Amino acid sequence: DTGVSQNPRHKITKRGQNVTFRCDPISEHNRLYWYRQTLGQGPEFLTYFQNEAQLEKSRLLSDRFSAERPKGSFSTLEIQRTEQGDSAMYLCASSLLGDPRTDTQYFGPGTRLTVL
Amino acid sequence: QQPVQSPQAVILREGEDAVINCSSSKALYSVHWYRQKHGEAPVFLMILLKGGEQKGHDKISASFNEKKQQSSLYLTASQLSYSGTYFCGTPEDSGYALNFGKGTSLLVTP
Repeated sequence: DTGVSQNPRHKITKRGQNVTFRCDPISEHNRLYWYRQTLGQGPEFLTYFQNEAQLEKSRLLSDRFSAERPKGSFSTLEIQRTEQGDSAMYLCASSLLGDPRTDTQYFGPGTRLTVL
Repeated sequence: QQPVQSPQAVILREGEDAVINCSSSKALYSVHWYRQKHGEAPVFLMILLKGGEQKGHDKISASFNEKKQQSSLYLTASQLSYSGTYFCGTPEDSGYALNFGKGTSLLVTP
C-alpha cells in the first residue's frame, strides 16, 4: 500500500512567480485535504475535496491560492504571484469516505516552498 | 478553534515516561494524535472517539475525557524513536478539517 505522495519535495522560487504542487492520495481514498504548516505550528487547513468536488475553499489564504482535483485522483495546489509570506510546508492528506470526524487522515511528506 | 497542548517541550532519558495533554474550549467528538519528525510528514498514531473507543498504535496509550474536553497521550518506557513533535487534532464542526495544536516537542536522549 503506497502512501500519499507529493511533488516536488522542495521548491525555491522568486517573489512574483507562480508555483504548482501535486498530490497523489492513497488510491482508494476519496477525500483529499490540503494544509499549510509554518515553523513551530501545527498544520493549518486550506481546502478539501470529496472525489472531484471541492467542498470547502473559503479557507484558502487568498485568491492567489487555488486547488483542483479534476478526475478525483491527484490534486494540484497553485499559488500565483508568490510572496515571501507564502514560504511554508504544504501538506496533503487523504482519507476514506466514512465519517470525517473519525476517519484517519494520512499525510504526505509535504512540499517545502521557499520564496526569495 | 485550535486545541491547546502542554507541555510545549519535554526532554526524557530513554526508558522514562511522558504525558502530553490536549485540551479544547469546545465539546469534542474525537481527538487525533500524530507524531512528526523534522522534515517529514505527520504520522498517524491514534484516534480517540467519544464513548471511549480507540483506534491506532499498540505501544502508545491515550485517554479522552469528554466532560473535561481533553485528551492525554501516554508514552511509557520511551525509546529514542519516540523523539519528534506530537500534535493533537480535533475535528471542526463541519467535520472534515482538523484543527491542530501547536505541538509538543519530545526529545528522548540515551
